[in-house]
Amino acid sequence: GAVVSQHPSRVICKSGTSVKIECRSLDFQATTMFWYRQFPKQSLMLMATSNEGSKATYEQGVEKDKFLINHASLTLSTLTVTSAHPEDSSFYICSARGPLAGGRLYFGPGTRLTVT
Amino acid sequence: QKEVEQNSGPLSVPEGAIASLNCTYSDRGSQSFFWYRQYSGKSPELIMFIYSNGDKEDGRFTAQLNKASQYVSLLIRDSQPSDSATYLCAVKSPIRGNNDMRFGAGTRLTVKP
Repeated sequence: GAVVSQHPSRVICKSGTSVKIECRSLDFQATTMFWYRQFPKQSLMLMATSNEGSKATYEQGVEKDKFLINHASLTLSTLTVTSAHPEDSSFYICSARGPLAGGRLYFGPGTRLTVT
Repeated sequence: QKEVEQNSGPLSVPEGAIASLNCTYSDRGSQSFFWYRQYSGKSPELIMFIYSNGDKEDGRFTAQLNKASQYVSLLIRDSQPSDSATYLCAVKSPIRGNNDMRFGAGTRLTVKP
């Protein structure tokens, strides 16, 4: 099946710094990728839809200037958490729409962000 | 009304029993339906998808779809402790453009040895 990778898998940063998370589709091209955030014992929360070659579409309540998304190629989308604060500590997951008909989503393994 | 609704659980079944997970959706135009399994601390993984009314079986898993009732379910036969996870129902509607997948909040399943 389609494989989606994320890097890093785990990151600890200091408050006020920025962190970049990469999401790659390894064996297929993905014109659309999605970024989610998940707090412990809570459900997935869609943050934004990343479109190759155009601006991301953010969900209501998600600050686009704080969570910068760049989808510069058909296999890579990046999420940058700018000026991170402890409340940004969460599990960030990306997904990409697979190449087969039906549009199923494949998820990356996630990135655990801890802001100290 | 949420677009995709699931009983949050927890649902607890004994090992070897059938676990039944249910999901309802509000968009009658939805065409594709997916079940994802998410272990604690991990990202979701796709385990089943179904497009047509009726049953679809894959090993111990059976997905059931009833579009008239806007209902999709997942049955897990011979449940194992390793099946303990949160199960997410996802529904795809063709009318929303790129962001066309809606997820339920998930049902937490515990299979007791």
